[in-house]
Amino acid sequence: GAGVSQTPSNKVTEKGKYVELRCDPISGHTALYWYRQSLGQGPEFLIYFQGTGAADDSGLPNDRFFAVRPEGSVSTLKIQRTERGDSAVYLCASSPRGATGELFFGEGSRLTVL
Amino acid sequence: DAKTTQPPSMDCAEGRAANLPCNHSTISGNEYVYWYRQIHSQGPQYIIHGLKNNETNEMASLIITEDRKSSTLILPHATLRDTAVYYCIVRAAGATNKLIFGTGTLLAVQP
Repeated sequence: GAGVSQTPSNKVTEKGKYVELRCDPISGHTALYWYRQSLGQGPEFLIYFQGTGAADDSGLPNDRFFAVRPEGSVSTLKIQRTERGDSAVYLCASSPRGATGELFFGEGSRLTVL
Repeated sequence: DAKTTQPPSMDCAEGRAANLPCNHSTISGNEYVYWYRQIHSQGPQYIIHGLKNNETNEMASLIITEDRKSSTLILPHATLRDTAVYYCIVRAAGATNKLIFGTGTLLAVQP
């Protein structure tokens, strides 16, 4: 399909392990966003890319979280030394340059840390 | 960005209009009002946005009060598929489309 694609859709890992979550934005969308959503809460902003650079990473909770977008398209969210509190749905969204607030979201990657 | 206040939940009968309120009393002159919804186990979906004037599209209507301190999202003929969490978000015009979500209103459309 032509929407935002996220993989894996589900990931179960053990405390202390390293995890990578991938986001394929809509083709041609220059802006890419990562959000995290815990049960019963609204999505929480993590980081925003415009092209290859992170324009705003103010939402990353600590230095265990890192995201890259090396070629300005696909992005990977990396979580080191996972903790049980990292369990959540990680959402990715994209938008065209100059868009006025319409973000296109993927279905999310559900991360469970045991 | 200004904070919004929404009721945690609402019910609506199928086929009737659903009117979802949002309070944004601290909104600034350059801040837009956005509405998104999130159906269970899906990502949020854009519905509509506006600055001062009322707006309508194929999904909904947005009514913004003259003082811009509150707004109402109207789904004219609610269906069971409209059951979702509805988020009202205020965002300043600018280069970034970063959106700050609250906890939203869970709309339950009843048959």
